[in-house]
Amino acid sequence: KAGVTQTPRYLIKTRGQQVTLSCSPISGHRSVSWYQQTPGQGLQFLFEYFSETQRNKGNFPGRFSGRQFSNSRSEMNVSTLELGDSALYLCASCPAGNTGELFFGEGSRLTVL
Amino acid sequence: TQLLEQSPQFLSIQEGENLTVYCNSSSVFSSLQWYRQEPGEGPVLLVTVVTGGEVKKLKRLTFQFGDARKDSSLHITAAQPGDTGLYLCAGNYNTDKLIFGTGTRLQVFP
Repeated sequence: KAGVTQTPRYLIKTRGQQVTLSCSPISGHRSVSWYQQTPGQGLQFLFEYFSETQRNKGNFPGRFSGRQFSNSRSEMNVSTLELGDSALYLCASCPAGNTGELFFGEGSRLTVL
Repeated sequence: TQLLEQSPQFLSIQEGENLTVYCNSSSVFSSLQWYRQEPGEGPVLLVTVVTGGEVKKLKRLTFQFGDARKDSSLHITAAQPGDTGLYLCAGNYNTDKLIFGTGTRLQVFP
């Protein structure tokens, strides 16, 4: 079956802009988690959605938000972009809770200039 | 706050050598996972360990969970260039979310 699909794969934005990233989980997976990966901080948990509800949230400012649709597809949005938001954003899906095996997408690499 | 520390941070070795990567925490985990991430891809799960003292083997990779469930190790025997990648441990504790370690970047030269 198809894996986790993230779009776009690469994007460049400037400070102050906003960005929306999309994630389509594996069919049948209801949990979608988002992570930010940077060389300095590693993989940092952003949030997890399950059945259209945010179930867990990491320690990121309110500029980072997300949502999940009824078909389990998820989007995350970052507003008022800062240089430090440059990172690889990874989406992971899981059949139920997010403490089982996570299936990751290839990520969306965001560069903020 | 980063709860999982991995060491070493970087490792460059020749093909055929053995190596061990460590994952340490001050917290007790109910389970711990190891992932490998290759350039341009997302992490892929290698193994999950649940019981303190548990040892699991995956071909040339041996994973161990500490007795107190606060640490884990990954040992690779006779490393090959195909083992090159970023190795990440991830712990599950009582907030129902996975916390990832700082990562160990392994380069195996032919």
